[in-house]
Parts: sequence; C-alpha cells; structure tokens
Amino acid sequence: GNSVTQMEGPVTLSEEAFLTINCTYTATGYPSLFWYVQYPGEGLQLLLKATKADDKGSNKGFEATYRKETTSFHLEKGSVQVSDSAVYFCALSDRNAGNMLTFGGGTRLMVKP
Amino acid sequence: KAGVTQTPRYLIKTRGQQVTLSCSPISGHRSVSWYQQTPGQGLQFLFEYFSETQRNKGNFPGRFSGRQFSNSRSEMNVSTLELGDSALYLCASRSPLLQGTNEQFFGPGTRLTVL
Repeated sequence: GNSVTQMEGPVTLSEEAFLTINCTYTATGYPSLFWYVQYPGEGLQLLLKATKADDKGSNKGFEATYRKETTSFHLEKGSVQVSDSAVYFCALSDRNAGNMLTFGGGTRLMVKP
Repeated sequence: KAGVTQTPRYLIKTRGQQVTLSCSPISGHRSVSWYQQTPGQGLQFLFEYFSETQRNKGNFPGRFSGRQFSNSRSEMNVSTLELGDSALYLCASRSPLLQGTNEQFFGPGTRLTVL
C-alpha cells in the first residue's frame, strides 16, 4: 500500500535559519505530492503541490521538488519566521487508490525569535 | 468564495451516544472527504462522497457512516461512541476542475471529545 514517512519533530530553529523537513513516500502508482500546514486550532492548509517528477512546488518562500528516483519530496525554506511555527504534513494522492490523501505523521516546527 | 465549513466546531459526548457532524463544501465542489486526526494514529481517511454516492472508504468500523445530500453538503455519523473516537474530524472538498491534481481544501474541523 501507499505510505508517507517524514522526519519526526519537533524541529526547533531560530528566526532566519534554513529549514529542511524530509519526506519520502511509497506508492504503487504515480502519485501527486503535497505539503499541508496546520496552525494551532485550525484545519489543514495546502502549502504547495507537485504532480510529476522534477516538478517544483513553491509558495510563501517554501519549496519542494518531486524526486521520483529517490521517492522524496523534502520541504525547504531559506529563512524561517516565527509565524511559520506550525505542524507540517507531507501527503500523497494516488489515482490507483482513489482520491484519498495518505499523510505522513506530521512535523512540528517551532521558530524562536 | 466561502471555504469549507464544519459544524459544530466542538462537541462533547459520553460513551455509547451517537453523534452527527456536518460539512458544507466550497460552492461548486461535488466531492467531500472525511478524515480523522488523532495524536496516536495521525490523519486517517474515513470516506469520500461524490454526487451523493460513497466512492471510497477507509479502514474504520461500521459505526462510522456518512452521507451526502443533493446540494453536496455531507454528514458523518458515529454510533455507540467509544473513548478512542475522541479526535479532530476534518472535512475536505475537491474541485472537479482540479481533478487531475486532486487538490483538496480542508475545513477547520470538529473537535469531538468522548467522556
């Protein structure tokens, strides 16, 4: 079956530090890949997406590249802000498995001023 | 355009009771999916409805059920509540125009506490 593995948190960084959150996946088909963010007390917001190999998704300074050869979709940001503190989820959607999203366990990011 | 709305936002029930949660998708979206989020199991898919038909179902017991109405609004029901059903229940809707990417938009969730 499909699965997503992401690095466990919490990840604690100082403001303006570089961020990387690792995400690898296993899928039977050719999935679309997503990063969602969840702020305290809220639902999930789509941060970025990629639908085919070598696609780079980007939004609000965050980037992730769909690497088929390493089955990875690592999230990066060059300079984090306190407002980026949240839980980040990597997810995939595989047409062979319907439209359901399969999520990783989430990574809590804490940014200190 | 209004986002996905879920009601109620918070709910407290006791074991053995049943509960109904409601979700209104973004206008024009016909697909609604439900997910359960718990600290132990993370985010797990419950089911998906499209045009009033259940299209996909996750690995949950039959106590969990849902339905979708002709206006695309969806409800999920949990009967005979157990302590382990305490969770954040998230609803997501999907646009037919974005079907190729399967981009889903989530509501704020309903926080269910079972005592």
